[in-house]
Amino acid sequence: DIQVTQSPSTLSAAVGDSITITCRASQSISASLAWYQQRPGTPPKVLIYDASTLERGIPSRFSGSGSGTEFTLTIRSLQPEDFATYYCQQYERYSTFGQGTKVEVK
Amino acid sequence: QVQLVQSGAEVKKPGASVRVSCKTSGDTFIGNYMHWVRQAPGQGLEWMGRIFPNSGGTDYAAKFQGRVTMTRDTSTRTVYMELSSLTSDDTAIYYCARGPGYCSTTSCYSYYMGAWGKGTTVTVSS
Repeated sequence: DIQVTQSPSTLSAAVGDSITITCRASQSISASLAWYQQRPGTPPKVLIYDASTLERGIPSRFSGSGSGTEFTLTIRSLQPEDFATYYCQQYERYSTFGQGTKVEVK
Repeated sequence: QVQLVQSGAEVKKPGASVRVSCKTSGDTFIGNYMHWVRQAPGQGLEWMGRIFPNSGGTDYAAKFQGRVTMTRDTSTRTVYMELSSLTSDDTAIYYCARGPGYCSTTSCYSYYMGAWGKGTTVTVSS
């Protein structure tokens, strides 16, 4: 099974900050990685797929990069609605989610 | 625009089984993968498995092999997930999610999950 490890588990930031979340896969997954945002009480929402492709309707302050085993999600100029939990998902072989990163108000 | 409507909350006793449904509308049922993902209280997302409605072909996460069954009814555009031998550890929100995918003659591939149901809460308690 392919494991994915996300870091950090919690990140404290302020509105306007830029933040980066990292996801590492236990073996190469090419660019088969997606990022999701989940707000409390709601299902996850896809932000980015194929490591760097922005889903339609997602603001351009979200960006993704990486390939192989290391990937990053960057949010520039954090907005109040961005405080949420973020997950990565590999789909190179079946599917696995990272443990999640909670972005909280500093 | 695709909509995934899940069945209502369930309360089950340990050892019982639960079946959750997910009805799709607004977009192509055939030709996309349907996944089931669960989330225990305060925990992260856990992929349980997937079903390809074209063929009914399924793949399950190793953790759930032998305990989960995913099926589909193409006439009603509904997929089902049944989990047996429930314990308190199965208390969670169960989501269905749809995403692109396809099967060749030799292998099947699924990708990200672009649409999600609102979730079904399953509580296992004696």
